[in-house]
Amino acid sequence: GAVVSQHPSWVICKSGTSVKIECRSLDFQATTMFWYRQFPKQSLMLMATSNEGSKATYEQGVEKDKFLINHASLTLSTLTVTSAHPEDSSFYICSARPAGGGNTIYFGEGSWLTVV
Amino acid sequence: DAKTTQPTSMDCAEGRAANLPCNHSTISGNEYVYWYRQIHSQGPQYIIHGLKNNETNEMASLIITEDRKSSTLILPHATLRDTAVYYCIVRAREGGNQFYFGTGTSLTVIP
Repeated sequence: GAVVSQHPSWVICKSGTSVKIECRSLDFQATTMFWYRQFPKQSLMLMATSNEGSKATYEQGVEKDKFLINHASLTLSTLTVTSAHPEDSSFYICSARPAGGGNTIYFGEGSWLTVV
Repeated sequence: DAKTTQPTSMDCAEGRAANLPCNHSTISGNEYVYWYRQIHSQGPQYIIHGLKNNETNEMASLIITEDRKSSTLILPHATLRDTAVYYCIVRAREGGNQFYFGTGTSLTVIP
Protein backbone atom coordinates (compact mmCIF):
# COMPACT_ATOMS: atom_id res chain seq x y z
CA GLY A 1 0.00 0.00 0.00
CA ALA A 2 0.78 3.73 0.06
CA VAL A 3 1.99 3.95 -3.52
CA VAL A 4 2.66 7.33 -5.09
CA SER A 5 3.27 7.55 -8.80
CA GLN A 6 4.73 10.38 -10.84
CA HIS A 7 4.48 10.99 -14.55
CA PRO A 8 6.52 11.49 -16.59
CA SER A 9 9.61 9.86 -15.13
CA TRP A 10 11.75 12.08 -17.27
CA VAL A 11 11.10 14.89 -19.69
CA ILE A 12 13.15 17.11 -21.94
CA CYS A 13 11.72 20.45 -22.96
CA LYS A 14 12.88 23.51 -24.80
CA SER A 15 13.72 26.69 -22.96
CA GLY A 16 10.70 28.96 -22.67
CA THR A 17 8.10 26.20 -22.79
CA SER A 18 6.03 24.83 -19.92
CA VAL A 19 6.00 21.31 -18.63
CA LYS A 20 3.54 19.54 -16.34
CA ILE A 21 4.39 16.78 -13.88
CA GLU A 22 1.64 14.67 -12.34
CA CYS A 23 1.63 13.07 -8.91
CA ARG A 24 -0.95 10.44 -8.09
CA SER A 25 -1.67 8.50 -4.93
CA LEU A 26 -2.67 5.10 -6.28
CA ASP A 27 -4.17 3.31 -3.30
CA PHE A 28 -5.08 6.05 -0.87
CA GLN A 29 -6.55 9.51 -0.75
CA ALA A 30 -4.23 12.37 0.03
CA THR A 31 -5.50 15.65 1.38
CA THR A 32 -1.97 16.98 1.39
CA MET A 33 0.79 16.56 -1.15
CA PHE A 34 4.25 18.05 -1.18
CA TRP A 35 6.61 18.98 -3.99
CA TYR A 36 10.37 18.83 -3.65
CA ARG A 37 13.26 19.66 -5.93
CA GLN A 38 16.65 18.02 -5.77
CA PHE A 39 19.80 19.08 -7.58
CA PRO A 40 22.64 16.60 -8.13
CA LYS A 41 24.50 15.64 -4.95
CA GLN A 42 22.19 17.80 -2.85
CA SER A 43 19.38 17.06 -0.45
CA LEU A 44 15.69 17.46 -1.14
CA MET A 45 14.37 20.99 -0.95
CA LEU A 46 10.70 21.49 -0.14
CA MET A 47 9.07 23.75 -2.71
CA ALA A 48 5.43 23.82 -1.69
CA THR A 49 2.62 22.15 0.20
CA SER A 50 -0.50 21.37 -1.76
CA ASN A 51 -3.86 20.93 -0.06
CA GLU A 52 -6.81 19.48 -1.96
CA GLY A 53 -9.21 22.16 -3.05
CA SER A 54 -7.14 25.11 -1.90
CA LYS A 55 -4.16 27.13 -2.96
CA ALA A 56 -0.69 25.74 -2.43
CA THR A 57 1.60 27.14 0.22
CA TYR A 58 5.03 27.93 -1.15
CA GLU A 59 8.29 27.90 0.73
CA GLN A 60 10.26 31.09 0.95
CA GLY A 61 12.16 31.82 -2.23
CA VAL A 62 10.01 29.62 -4.48
CA GLU A 63 8.23 31.56 -7.21
CA LYS A 64 4.55 30.65 -7.17
CA ASP A 65 3.95 32.07 -10.64
CA LYS A 66 6.70 29.93 -12.09
CA PHE A 67 5.85 26.70 -10.32
CA LEU A 68 2.09 26.30 -10.59
CA ILE A 69 0.59 23.66 -8.35
CA ASN A 70 -2.91 22.28 -8.65
CA HIS A 71 -4.44 19.72 -6.29
CA ALA A 72 -7.88 19.26 -7.78
CA SER A 73 -8.68 15.85 -6.34
CA LEU A 74 -7.73 13.66 -3.42
CA THR A 75 -5.49 11.54 -5.61
CA LEU A 76 -3.88 13.99 -8.01
CA SER A 77 -1.60 16.99 -7.75
CA THR A 78 0.20 18.60 -10.66
CA LEU A 79 3.28 20.80 -10.85
CA THR A 80 3.67 22.97 -13.92
CA VAL A 81 7.02 24.58 -14.53
CA THR A 82 6.23 27.63 -16.64
CA SER A 83 8.65 29.28 -19.04
CA ALA A 84 11.27 26.74 -18.14
CA HIS A 85 14.94 27.64 -18.30
CA PRO A 86 18.04 25.44 -18.09
CA GLU A 87 18.50 26.31 -14.41
CA ASP A 88 15.13 24.66 -13.74
CA SER A 89 16.61 21.33 -14.78
CA SER A 90 16.34 19.16 -11.71
CA PHE A 91 14.83 16.07 -10.11
CA TYR A 92 11.29 16.86 -8.96
CA ILE A 93 9.74 14.62 -6.32
CA CYS A 94 6.26 14.61 -4.89
CA SER A 95 5.00 13.06 -1.70
CA ALA A 96 1.59 12.49 -0.21
CA ARG A 97 0.12 12.21 3.24
CA PRO A 98 -2.78 9.79 3.54
CA ALA A 99 -6.07 11.34 4.57
CA GLY A 100 -7.76 10.24 7.73
CA GLY A 101 -4.80 10.00 10.00
CA GLY A 102 -1.19 9.04 10.17
CA ASN A 103 1.70 11.43 9.76
CA THR A 104 3.96 9.40 7.55
CA ILE A 105 4.34 10.70 4.02
CA TYR A 106 5.12 8.58 0.98
CA PHE A 107 7.17 9.62 -1.99
CA GLY A 108 6.85 9.18 -5.71
CA GLU A 109 9.65 7.91 -7.90
CA GLY A 110 10.62 11.38 -9.00
CA SER A 111 10.66 13.13 -12.37
CA TRP A 112 13.80 14.26 -14.14
CA LEU A 113 13.38 17.54 -15.98
CA THR A 114 15.98 18.68 -18.47
CA VAL A 115 15.53 22.07 -20.12
CA VAL A 116 17.57 22.58 -23.25
CA ASP B 1 11.02 21.62 13.32
CA ALA B 2 14.19 20.64 15.17
CA LYS B 3 17.40 20.40 13.22
CA THR B 4 19.26 17.14 12.95
CA THR B 5 22.93 16.34 12.60
CA GLN B 6 24.16 13.22 10.86
CA PRO B 7 27.59 12.05 9.72
CA THR B 8 28.17 12.77 6.07
CA SER B 9 29.13 9.23 5.15
CA MET B 10 29.63 5.75 6.57
CA ASP B 11 30.76 2.36 5.34
CA CYS B 12 29.49 -1.00 6.49
CA ALA B 13 30.52 -4.53 5.59
CA GLU B 14 27.88 -6.63 3.92
CA GLY B 15 26.08 -8.86 6.42
CA ARG B 16 27.04 -6.76 9.39
CA ALA B 17 24.80 -4.37 11.28
CA ALA B 18 24.78 -0.78 10.10
CA ASN B 19 24.30 1.75 12.90
CA LEU B 20 23.42 5.23 11.69
CA PRO B 21 23.42 7.96 14.34
CA CYS B 22 21.41 11.16 14.41
CA ASN B 23 21.61 14.04 16.85
CA HIS B 24 18.50 16.12 17.50
CA SER B 25 19.36 17.90 20.72
CA THR B 26 16.66 20.57 20.32
CA ILE B 27 13.81 18.14 19.75
CA SER B 28 10.52 19.08 21.38
CA GLY B 29 8.27 16.80 23.35
CA ASN B 30 5.72 16.49 20.56
CA GLU B 31 8.21 15.82 17.78
CA TYR B 32 8.67 12.40 16.24
CA VAL B 33 11.88 11.03 14.73
CA TYR B 34 11.48 9.75 11.16
CA TRP B 35 13.95 7.91 8.99
CA TYR B 36 13.86 7.77 5.21
CA ARG B 37 16.39 6.57 2.70
CA GLN B 38 17.01 7.50 -0.90
CA ILE B 39 18.64 5.18 -3.33
CA HIS B 40 20.31 6.98 -6.18
CA SER B 41 17.87 8.66 -8.58
CA GLN B 42 14.78 7.41 -6.78
CA GLY B 43 12.25 8.96 -4.44
CA PRO B 44 12.83 8.59 -0.69
CA GLN B 45 11.56 5.44 0.99
CA TYR B 46 10.00 5.45 4.43
CA ILE B 47 11.84 3.26 6.93
CA ILE B 48 10.60 3.82 10.45
CA HIS B 49 9.56 6.44 12.98
CA GLY B 50 9.19 6.78 16.73
CA LEU B 51 8.48 9.17 19.56
CA LYS B 52 10.32 7.91 22.62
CA ASN B 53 10.14 4.14 22.67
CA ASN B 54 12.39 1.96 20.59
CA GLU B 55 10.74 0.70 17.45
CA THR B 56 11.35 -2.24 15.15
CA ASN B 57 9.86 -3.27 11.85
CA GLU B 58 10.83 -5.54 8.99
CA MET B 59 13.35 -3.06 7.67
CA ALA B 60 15.13 -1.67 10.71
CA SER B 61 15.21 -0.82 14.38
CA LEU B 62 15.11 2.66 15.84
CA ILE B 63 16.78 3.31 19.17
CA ILE B 64 15.96 6.65 20.81
CA THR B 65 17.92 7.76 23.86
CA GLU B 66 16.06 8.40 27.06
CA ASP B 67 16.55 12.17 26.81
CA ARG B 68 15.46 11.94 23.13
CA LYS B 69 18.37 14.08 22.02
CA SER B 70 19.74 11.43 19.71
CA SER B 71 18.74 8.26 17.95
CA THR B 72 20.27 5.39 16.01
CA LEU B 73 18.87 3.58 13.03
CA ILE B 74 20.00 -0.03 12.90
CA LEU B 75 19.96 -2.16 9.78
CA PRO B 76 20.62 -5.58 11.33
CA HIS B 77 22.17 -7.33 8.34
CA ALA B 78 23.21 -4.82 5.70
CA THR B 79 23.08 -5.85 2.06
CA LEU B 80 24.45 -4.14 -1.02
CA ARG B 81 20.93 -2.92 -1.76
CA ASP B 82 21.00 -0.90 1.45
CA THR B 83 23.55 1.47 -0.07
CA ALA B 84 21.71 4.80 -0.02
CA VAL B 85 21.48 8.20 1.63
CA TYR B 86 19.70 7.95 4.97
CA TYR B 87 17.80 10.94 6.28
CA CYS B 88 16.81 11.54 9.89
CA ILE B 89 13.95 14.03 10.25
CA VAL B 90 12.11 15.32 13.29
CA ARG B 91 8.68 16.81 13.01
CA ALA B 92 5.69 17.54 15.18
CA ARG B 93 2.63 15.36 15.04
CA GLU B 94 0.32 18.34 14.98
CA GLY B 95 0.51 21.49 12.97
CA GLY B 96 2.37 21.63 9.69
CA ASN B 97 2.95 18.37 7.93
CA GLN B 98 6.08 19.43 6.15
CA PHE B 99 9.16 17.23 6.11
CA TYR B 100 12.38 19.19 5.81
CA PHE B 101 15.39 17.16 4.75
CA GLY B 102 18.92 17.68 6.00
CA THR B 103 22.01 16.42 4.27
CA GLY B 104 21.67 12.83 5.46
CA THR B 105 24.26 10.06 5.74
CA SER B 106 25.54 8.34 2.64
CA LEU B 107 25.85 4.68 3.59
CA THR B 108 27.98 2.43 1.43
CA VAL B 109 27.70 -1.31 2.03
CA ILE B 110 30.94 -2.98 1.04
CA PRO B 111 31.04 -6.56 -0.28
